[in-house]
Amino acid sequence: EVQLVESGGGLVQPGGSLRLSCAASGFTFSSYAMHWVRQAPGKGLEYVSAISSNGGSTYYANSVKGRFTISRDNSKNTLYLQMGSLRAEDMAVYYCARASGWSRIDYWGQGTLVTVSS
Amino acid sequence: QTVVTQEPSLTVSPGGTVTLTCASSTGAVTSGYYPNWFQQKPGQAPRALIYSTSNKHSWTPARFSGSLLGGKAALTLSGVQPEDEAEYYCLLYYGGAQHWVFGGGTKLTVL
Repeated sequence: EVQLVESGGGLVQPGGSLRLSCAASGFTFSSYAMHWVRQAPGKGLEYVSAISSNGGSTYYANSVKGRFTISRDNSKNTLYLQMGSLRAEDMAVYYCARASGWSRIDYWGQGTLVTVSS
Repeated sequence: QTVVTQEPSLTVSPGGTVTLTCASSTGAVTSGYYPNWFQQKPGQAPRALIYSTSNKHSWTPARFSGSLLGGKAALTLSGVQPEDEAEYYCLLYYGGAQHWVFGGGTKLTVL
């Protein structure tokens, strides 16, 4: 059974940093691209970042470029999102999702909540 | 700034048929945008329904179908069930710019 479990969310002050993790199981993690998607309270889905199966290619939404870094450790079956210079508008539930190729997103995690507040 | 537009809300009667659409500010949506569709119910993570315009995942009910319609991506629900009441999001892939954009979502009410 494919499982994606996010962790690392919590309360952080504006300007602070946080690292999210997404632990994958039930499939060959190194064979799939992975994505981060977020959802602010009461709002729609927003694309955040993507990484290729081997980590060699990464992409970011303009809203997070230069502040967030996506990475993965295929030996640990884990996806990461390092978030820095956090702003109030970054407050959201962050989901990781698996993709076959770049464009076939299939499985999603349950999300982890990031709260940015002083 | 690329914008993907969906109907904010739609209402359908049980057993009826409804089509949700997904338009791009850059022009006509084609198969090259690899449209994906997702369903999200309150308090839950999104669930994938359709990929690459019209392909269903193994768990996607047969009453859901995807297509291109009038320059837009479309999701059609035929024989709507009460449990289909949810928010639906499309996702388009802009390969040239290497980014993905979600639509704003359509809140589907079954009434």
